[in-house]
Amino acid sequence: KNQVEQSPQSLIILEGKNCTLQCNYTVSPFSNLRWYKQDTGRGPVSLTIMTFSENTKSNGRYTATLDADTKQSSLHITASQLSDSASYICVVTSGGYNKLIFGAGTRLAVHP
Amino acid sequence: NAGVMQNPRHLVRRRGQEARLRCSPMKGHSHVYWYRQLPEEGLKFMVYLQKENIIDESGMPKERFSAEFPKEGPSILRIQQVVRGDSAAYFCASSRTGDHDGYTFGSGTRLTVV
Repeated sequence: KNQVEQSPQSLIILEGKNCTLQCNYTVSPFSNLRWYKQDTGRGPVSLTIMTFSENTKSNGRYTATLDADTKQSSLHITASQLSDSASYICVVTSGGYNKLIFGAGTRLAVHP
Repeated sequence: NAGVMQNPRHLVRRRGQEARLRCSPMKGHSHVYWYRQLPEEGLKFMVYLQKENIIDESGMPKERFSAEFPKEGPSILRIQQVVRGDSAAYFCASSRTGDHDGYTFGSGTRLTVV
């Protein structure tokens, strides 16, 4: 069964600190892996997209890694800001036009 | 480019009524996807449409739910005879091609059934 699991479920950090979110997947065939940020009451917004051959991709203070052998990905947030408070969702695309498979997300709260 | 537009943002319906959710894709996008998000859960795929055609509806409940994407106008997700369990956030996404080129989400419609 295709699944995407994320940890931790929720996380609280202080402003300015770094954090790392984890994603494990059992999806086959694999097409690409995406990290999305979803603010409360809004739709998900894409942060990074990585294909099988890519093992790291950055977008400002966000850096995603991918290990296709162990089927793990991480999202590292550097120098967190209050505006980083949101849910971060790991999504795996499985072939062609097929639907994206979503993790349940990690809810991050950045406190001053 | 206004992005993917969904309306209404919030919709309240009594049990047994019909709910119609609208999604206007980004300009130049002819592929539309609908997802449902229950509280504390991830988004779940419902249906994928490409102008006037349903490509994949494997995530749609067998009864009461239907979707269309007419030649002119927005895509519509229709829920007949709503029940409390239909309360959720419904998100629409659009893309330029079936390979999720330019994949973009709307802000969602929050349906509450009372």
